[in-house]
Amino acid sequence: QQQVKQSPQSLIVQKGGISIINCAYENTAFDYFPWYQQFPGKGPALLIAIRPDVSEKKEGRFTISFNKSAKQFSLHIMDSQPGDSATYFCAARKTGNTGKLIFGQGTTLQVKP
Amino acid sequence: DGGITQSPKYLFRKEGQNVTLSCEQNLNHDAMYWYRQDPGQGLRLIYYSQIVNDFQKGDIAEGYSVSREKKESFPLTVTSAQKNPTAFYLCASSIPGVTYEQYFGPGTRLTVT
Repeated sequence: QQQVKQSPQSLIVQKGGISIINCAYENTAFDYFPWYQQFPGKGPALLIAIRPDVSEKKEGRFTISFNKSAKQFSLHIMDSQPGDSATYFCAARKTGNTGKLIFGQGTTLQVKP
Repeated sequence: DGGITQSPKYLFRKEGQNVTLSCEQNLNHDAMYWYRQDPGQGLRLIYYSQIVNDFQKGDIAEGYSVSREKKESFPLTVTSAQKNPTAFYLCASSIPGVTYEQYFGPGTRLTVT
C-alpha cells in the first residue's frame, strides 16, 4: 500500500531553471515530511524537512511548500545547477515513537548545462 | 569522524546461500533501520530497531533476519528464502527527538545469481 506518491518519475531542467517535484500522501497520521537527495551509488542525505504546522520552508535554493488540506507537499529547486542532478525522495514520518518513514518512489533530476 | 559504515560495497552470492550485510554506526544513535532500494520503488523498510536487543519487522521482512546485540551494530541476513534478493541495501540510524532525522550509510549492492 503506497501511502506517499511522488511525481514525476524523472525530470529534465535547464541550468538556471526551477525544478519542481510533487508528493501526495494518503494518511493523515504523519507529522514530519523530509526530502532526501541521493547521488548514484551513495546513500540518501537529508536535504530539507517540514512539519505540518508550517506552509513553507526555505533553505538556500531549496523550498518545501506544504498544503495540509490537500495532503500534498512539493520541493522547489530554484536556479537549478548541474550539481543538483540526483534522485530526490520525499518521505513522511508516521506519528508515534517509532520514527518510521514512508518514502515516495523517487524522482531522477537531470539539470542540463 | 562519526558516521555509518556498511560493508562490503558490492557483494555477490550464489542462489541458495545466506549472506550477512554489515552496518556499524558511531553516532551513538539508539534507532537503526534497514531499507531495500529497487529502481522506481523508493526505499522500503525491512526491519528496524529502537533499542538494543529489540527489533520489529518493517513492510518487507519476509526472507530477512536481523540482530541488535550492540548499540553500534545492526547486521542484516538475507536468507535463501528471500525470492528476489538482488538489490541495493541501505542502513540508517536516528536519534530520539522531535524530527527523528535518519542518517544513511553508503549502501551495499547485493547481486545473487
